[in-house]
Amino acid sequence: GESVGLHLPTLSVQEGDNSIINCAYSNSASDYFIWYKQESGKGPQFIIDIRSNMDKRQGQRVTVLLNKTVKHLSLQIAATQPGDSAVYFCAESASYGNNRLAFGKGNQVVVIP
Amino acid sequence: DAGVTQSPTHLIKTRGQHVTLRCSPISGHKSVSWYQQVLGQGPQFIFQYYEKEERGRGNFPDRFSARQFPNYSSELNVNALLLGDSALYLCASSVGQNSNQPQHFGDGTRLSIL
Repeated sequence: GESVGLHLPTLSVQEGDNSIINCAYSNSASDYFIWYKQESGKGPQFIIDIRSNMDKRQGQRVTVLLNKTVKHLSLQIAATQPGDSAVYFCAESASYGNNRLAFGKGNQVVVIP
Repeated sequence: DAGVTQSPTHLIKTRGQHVTLRCSPISGHKSVSWYQQVLGQGPQFIFQYYEKEERGRGNFPDRFSARQFPNYSSELNVNALLLGDSALYLCASSVGQNSNQPQHFGDGTRLSIL
């Protein structure tokens, strides 16, 4: 399929190492955040979400950290595997009566075997 | 369980034509949203529909319209196609209309305008 990650910031990581992907969001009214993974030729796949009343949430091999003071979100992937190679997007939404998501620019992660 | 399904997967049209894209949400999900993803960028919000009513609209011209059916499936229509409409069109579903629920995406329809 066509490359989703054309001209995106790229993080190259050795298989087995931990990955950290950062995201700055713009809307101080945003109260819900999601990380998505998108592989070539596919739609975004939900990874993990976090509400603004939390600053950390853990899933399987993934942790999301939220710093509302500086409007920063990060995704940590433990023991990165080749299947983690993809483009990662953060998305934010605010309670405006709909569930509109605003996506960040995306980060390409390349796992080196 | 089936995820969000979209049809067709690929479509080629010429300028000036119109197109209808279809989406079936995850079973039990009542909200459907449409996004446009241009190559190399993140998805951009077009519409949200919940219980057959439009709940939100992004910054897209009136050539873009959508509707939701009683079974919660949805159609996105685009009239008078322009070259710039070439993109991946994504449908996402969620249980309700609120902003603090995860949205799950289909694999999209790749629309190419010649």
